[in-house]
Amino acid sequence: DTGVSQDPRHKITKRGQNVTFRCDPISEHNRLYWYRQTLGQGPEFLTYFQNEAQLEKSRLLSDRFSAERPKGSFSTLEIQRTEQGDSAMYLCASSISQGVRNEQFFGPGTRLTVL
Amino acid sequence: AQKVTQAQTEISVVEKEDVTLDCVYETRDTTYYLFWYKQPPSGELVFLIRRNSFDEQNEISGRYSWNFQKSTSSFNFTITASQVVDSAVYFCALSERGTGANSKLTFGKGITLSVRP
Repeated sequence: DTGVSQDPRHKITKRGQNVTFRCDPISEHNRLYWYRQTLGQGPEFLTYFQNEAQLEKSRLLSDRFSAERPKGSFSTLEIQRTEQGDSAMYLCASSISQGVRNEQFFGPGTRLTVL
Repeated sequence: AQKVTQAQTEISVVEKEDVTLDCVYETRDTTYYLFWYKQPPSGELVFLIRRNSFDEQNEISGRYSWNFQKSTSSFNFTITASQVVDSAVYFCALSERGTGANSKLTFGKGITLSVRP
C-alpha cells in the first residue's frame, strides 16, 4: 500500500491526557498537511510542512498543539492536556510541490474521543 | 479570505438519475485551484477532480463532469447515471496560489448524497 497512512486509527483518552498521532505520507511527496474534521463539517486546515519546515499554522492550532516532521518524512501531531472540544477526526494529507499537480491525498484519519 | 459554500446539504436520488452538486467560492486571488473530494462511509477522503482558475474548459471524465464558471464563481459537479456506490459526502475545496501553489485547502461543509436502488 503506497497511500498515506495514519496511526492510530482510533484513540480514546481522558481529559487532561496528552496524545500523539503519526502520519506517513506518500514516499515522494514533500508536502504534508494536518486537518481536523468535526461531525457534519468539512476538514479545517491546521498546519503544513514542506520537507521538514513548518510553513503555515492555523490559528486553530492552540499552544496545546504541536506538530513536527523531523526528517522530512513522517510527521507527528501532539495534543497536550486534551479537552473535550478536541474530539474530532484528525486527517493527514500529502502532496508534491512541483508543477500544477497539487492535489492532496488523504489518509484514513485518526478519530480522537476525549472523555 | 477564501470561502467555499455548498448550499445543498443532502440530496437523495434514485439509481441511474443524474445529479448535480453545487459549489460557490470566494477568493481575492487571481490564480487558484478548485477540487472535488468524495468521503464514503469508510471516512477516507478521495480526490476526484482539480481545476485551475486559468483553464475554464469544462470536461467529462467517465460519469463525472464539471462546470467551472468564473463569472459566477461556481464549480459544479455532475454525476451521470448515479449508482449506489456514489453514496457519500462530497466536498468542494479551494486553494489559493497567492499563499503557495500547494497551500492549504479550504473546504465547504459537504453535501450528503444518497443513491437509492
